[in-house]
Amino acid sequence: SQQGEEDPQALSIQEGENATMNCSYKTSINNLQWYRQNSGRGLVHLILIRSNEREKHSGRLRVTLDTSKKSSSLLITASRAADTASYFCATNTNAGKSTFGDGTTLTVKP
Amino acid sequence: DAGVIQSPRHEVTEMGQEVTLRCKPISGHNSLFWYRQTMMRGLELLIYFNNNVPIDDSGMPEDRFSAKMPNASFSTLKIQPSEPRDSAVYFCASSTTATQETQYFGPGTRLLVL
Repeated sequence: SQQGEEDPQALSIQEGENATMNCSYKTSINNLQWYRQNSGRGLVHLILIRSNEREKHSGRLRVTLDTSKKSSSLLITASRAADTASYFCATNTNAGKSTFGDGTTLTVKP
Repeated sequence: DAGVIQSPRHEVTEMGQEVTLRCKPISGHNSLFWYRQTMMRGLELLIYFNNNVPIDDSGMPEDRFSAKMPNASFSTLKIQPSEPRDSAVYFCASSTTATQETQYFGPGTRLLVL
């Protein structure tokens, strides 16, 4: 199965609420990244967290990484309708390529 | 920078025809990736190049698929002959060799094989 698996598959919230998505993986990683994909568009890189980091912030995004549990979470605070998109985690190993999960589809209702 | 450029953006063809997808990576990026995205299988890595050399093509579905990177600024993905199950969105992405961490994706080519 995929190296990275997101949970939940779909999430629907109201504007202003926080959205949390989780990613689990199986093997040791160098880093983990989160990407966003708007409908009909390519993926856009959001944030990267290295294996020796536990938490990282970027604007309204907060990413955590627990290497002991092989999991990561992406928190979007004060969500906006424009945050509606699919969110993917990607793990990068020594092999030098990133492996993407199946994504979480987030819908933010205005 | 213009970002990763892919062409065509949409392609409709008939089963059995040859399809060629094109990609221009970001200038200065030495790694290039081809992905396929479908509802059923998600985002799949087909092949990636480092300094124009194919490093891992284990994701290429079968011999009908081939990819080339004749120089640092151009790559092609060819399907010959095409089949309806090849219908998908094909993405090209590039990154710097040093990290291969952040990948910059193109807008994709939406392929429909009838």
